[in-house]
Amino acid sequence: AQSVSQHNHHVILSEAASLELGCNYSYGGTVNLFWYVQYPGQHLQLLLKYFSGDPLVKGIKGFEAEFIKSKFSFNLRKPSVQWSDTAEYFCAVEGAGRRALTFGSGTRLQVQP
Amino acid sequence: EAGVVQSPRYKIIEKKQPVAFWCNPISGHNTLYWYLQNLGQGPELLIRYENEEAVDDSQLPKDRFSAERLKGVDSTLKIQPAELGDSAVYLCASSLDSGTGNYEQYFGPGTRLTVT
Repeated sequence: AQSVSQHNHHVILSEAASLELGCNYSYGGTVNLFWYVQYPGQHLQLLLKYFSGDPLVKGIKGFEAEFIKSKFSFNLRKPSVQWSDTAEYFCAVEGAGRRALTFGSGTRLQVQP
Repeated sequence: EAGVVQSPRYKIIEKKQPVAFWCNPISGHNTLYWYLQNLGQGPELLIRYENEEAVDDSQLPKDRFSAERLKGVDSTLKIQPAELGDSAVYLCASSLDSGTGNYEQYFGPGTRLTVT
């Protein structure tokens, strides 16, 4: 069975600080990887996804993530956070072609102005 | 375009009562998912439909949960009878399988169920 670990449950940053949220997964085959964001009072939205190709993936709102296969990791980064980035971030993985996402438990990011 | 629509947004029921949730996916999306999200956790897949066929229901507690997707569009998820532990957010998502392997799941706002 596949699993996803997000080690940071709650992160507090000041505006303009750099962000890196960790995501590690456990799965024995080819994977597709996703980061979703849930802003307060809103539904889950896709930030970025990796299916194949360049392991450095760029998403919306200045976010990027790097797939490191040898480390089973897909960490999310942003060089300078804004107050509007306050949200909950979920990493998700699926076995390629399976259409069954397994989510991590989420990281709550709080950006202080 | 309209997103995934779910109703009701909130529901409070007493234990042992039945409850139903409704989902209307994005127009043209052939795949529909129901997820359960407990407080402080990520969503967990309950069931996945390809058109009207349930192709993955391995995580659906079939003794009390049921789902249907008549005509391959709208879907209903039912719990009968509800238990206290069913209190959670029930999310619906949809996606379009274009055959390229690259896809995205679009989520609805969810139904927050409270069982008292």
